[in-house]
Amino acid sequence: EVQLVESGGGLVKPGGSLRLSCAASGFTFSSYSMNWVRQAPGKGLEWVSSISSSSSYIYYADSVKGRFTISRDNAKNSLYLQMNSLRAEDTAVYYCARDRIVVPAATEGFDYWGQGTLVTVSS
Amino acid sequence: DIQMTQSPSSVSASVGDRVTITCRASQGISSWLAWYQQKPGKAPKLLIYAASSLQSGVPSRFSGSGSGTDFTLTISSLQPEDFATYYCQQANSFLPLTFGGGTKVEIK
Repeated sequence: EVQLVESGGGLVKPGGSLRLSCAASGFTFSSYSMNWVRQAPGKGLEWVSSISSSSSYIYYADSVKGRFTISRDNAKNSLYLQMNSLRAEDTAVYYCARDRIVVPAATEGFDYWGQGTLVTVSS
Repeated sequence: DIQMTQSPSSVSASVGDRVTITCRASQGISSWLAWYQQKPGKAPKLLIYAASSLQSGVPSRFSGSGSGTDFTLTISSLQPEDFATYYCQQANSFLPLTFGGGTKVEIK
């Protein structure tokens, strides 16, 4: 059974940092591109970042570029999101999600999602 | 950036109704479109990929169509478990990947 479990969310002050983790199991993690998607309270979905299976291709939304860093450790079946210089508008539930296909730098959508972890940026 | 515009933003329908949701891309994306269902407090669930391909395990009452800039998600006979919010997502370009604003399907 495919499982994605996020952790690392919490309350942080503006300007602070947080590192999210996503532990994957039930599939060959090293074969799939992975993604972070967030959802502000009461709002829609916003794609944040994607990383290909070997980390060769990395993409960011403009809203987080230069502040967030996506990475992965295929030996540990884990995906990460380092979030620096956090702002109030980064407050959201952050989901990790698996790409449906194993083609680098391409996607057909995200077929498995974690339960999400809440990040709250407030003083 | 490719903008994705969904309509309507909400729809009220009864069990058994046929429901159609549309998604328009600001530029052509071929068939690189996915549809998701999200229930309150839950993660999104992939319904349709490549505009019209049904994700494994998704009931056949869900169908997708379209290509280029105009796409449709149809629920042929609405069931109680289908009341949720639906999102489209363009998968044509990572720069950036974009979701539509969502369509909430409510009980009439």
